[in-house]
Amino acid sequence: KQEVTQIPAALSVPEGENLVLNCSFTDSAIYNLQWFRQDPGKGLTSLLLIQSSQREQTSGRLNASLDKSSGRSTLYIAASQPGDSATYLCAGGAYNQGGKLIFGQGTELSVKP
Amino acid sequence: GAVVSQHPSWVICKSGTSVKIECRSLDFQATTMFWYRQFPKQSLMLMATSNEGSKATYEQGVEKDKFLINHASLTLSTLTVTSAHPEDSSFYICSASGRGHDYGYTFGSGTRLTVV
Repeated sequence: KQEVTQIPAALSVPEGENLVLNCSFTDSAIYNLQWFRQDPGKGLTSLLLIQSSQREQTSGRLNASLDKSSGRSTLYIAASQPGDSATYLCAGGAYNQGGKLIFGQGTELSVKP
Repeated sequence: GAVVSQHPSWVICKSGTSVKIECRSLDFQATTMFWYRQFPKQSLMLMATSNEGSKATYEQGVEKDKFLINHASLTLSTLTVTSAHPEDSSFYICSASGRGHDYGYTFGSGTRLTVV
């Protein structure tokens, strides 16, 4: 059964700093991994989707990597800004679980001006 | 890009009444719809998975007679919370995947349900 874990649970950084959010999963039979952003009281915004055949995806200041063998994914945010403050969720889709996404607990990021 | 429209965005209802939440895929055919529930400061917990034209598959511990899911078309799925109680107050989010999509998942904007 797929389990997804995110560390740290919360992170506070000064503006301009580069940072890395970590996500680990237990089942390597993952067919994609997706990173989301959630603002308080809001729905989810998809940031990056990595298919199982890919190793990384980039969008602007965001870069996500996927290492199936070690069961890890990282989200790198360059030159953080106060507007990046939100909760970041990673979720993995497993072949043997009907394609459903299993979510990590999230990392609450605060970028201080 | 793919869009899933979820309504209502918030609803307040009296205990014992039923509430229906709708999710529509606007520019793709949602062959599979997922319904999640999120309590404050917690992550999303999958409630059920529905495939168009089939009965929903519920996760362990989720009452199928209380949370009725209908996925009668490729663009519409509904979640009805029947005989709602205060403990059902939560944030409900749908997610869709399907044909004409990039195999990722698109989420609705969520529905904040408050049962008083």
